Amino acid sequence: DAGITQSPRHKVTETGTPVTLRCHQTENHRYMYWYRQDPGHGLRLIHYSYGVKDTDKGEVSDGYSVSRSKTEDFLLTLESATSSQTSVYFCAISAKTLDLQETQYFGPGTRLLVL
Amino acid sequence: AQRVTQPEKLLSVFKGAPVELKCNYSYSGSPELFWYVQYSRQRLQLLLRHISRESIKGFTADLNKGETSFHLKKPFAQEEDSAMYYCALSGSGSDKLIFGTGTRLQVFP
Repeated sequence: DAGITQSPRHKVTETGTPVTLRCHQTENHRYMYWYRQDPGHGLRLIHYSYGVKDTDKGEVSDGYSVSRSKTEDFLLTLESATSSQTSVYFCAISAKTLDLQETQYFGPGTRLLVL
Repeated sequence: AQRVTQPEKLLSVFKGAPVELKCNYSYSGSPELFWYVQYSRQRLQLLLRHISRESIKGFTADLNKGETSFHLKKPFAQEEDSAMYYCALSGSGSDKLIFGTGTRLQVFP
């Protein structure tokens, strides 16, 4: 599992409240990503990070912000949650495999329900 | 524009039948293609990469640049193959993945 954990694993919140999801990795990987998974859309990239304090927007970044103050933690914040942000959120890291190919490995996911 | 298309939302087969999950891509360059699998309520796992030309769990996939396809095949499906399968693409020199919408494979006994 490439040492990736996500917390919380499940969350129910109300529209308009802030929500922060945490991705934690133990293997000092430089590249980290946040995706959301929705039926009919597959996985879409929200934000990504190339290192501490080095982040950028992905395909569906509106309504989300991220922070990476330590190599091991990549936080995703919904500033004011909306029902359209109900989704499953996956964190990923990029690591080289034994044959030196960059490959993404995923965390277990966080199910978020915004009421 | 970079795009990955998986035309089938659901593919149902009986155990022992051949399986082909279709993936077509649009990319102006030399992409890297991947298949990821997600078993029920689990994390995505890498199944195959085209560059490795490997066979995992009996699955193979060949990159056809002429048809811009990377179909996933298995000659004899097993019940434990039931899962969601995602095709994904990354551009040459890029670490970011673009995913298709996924195909759910159901294998009946």
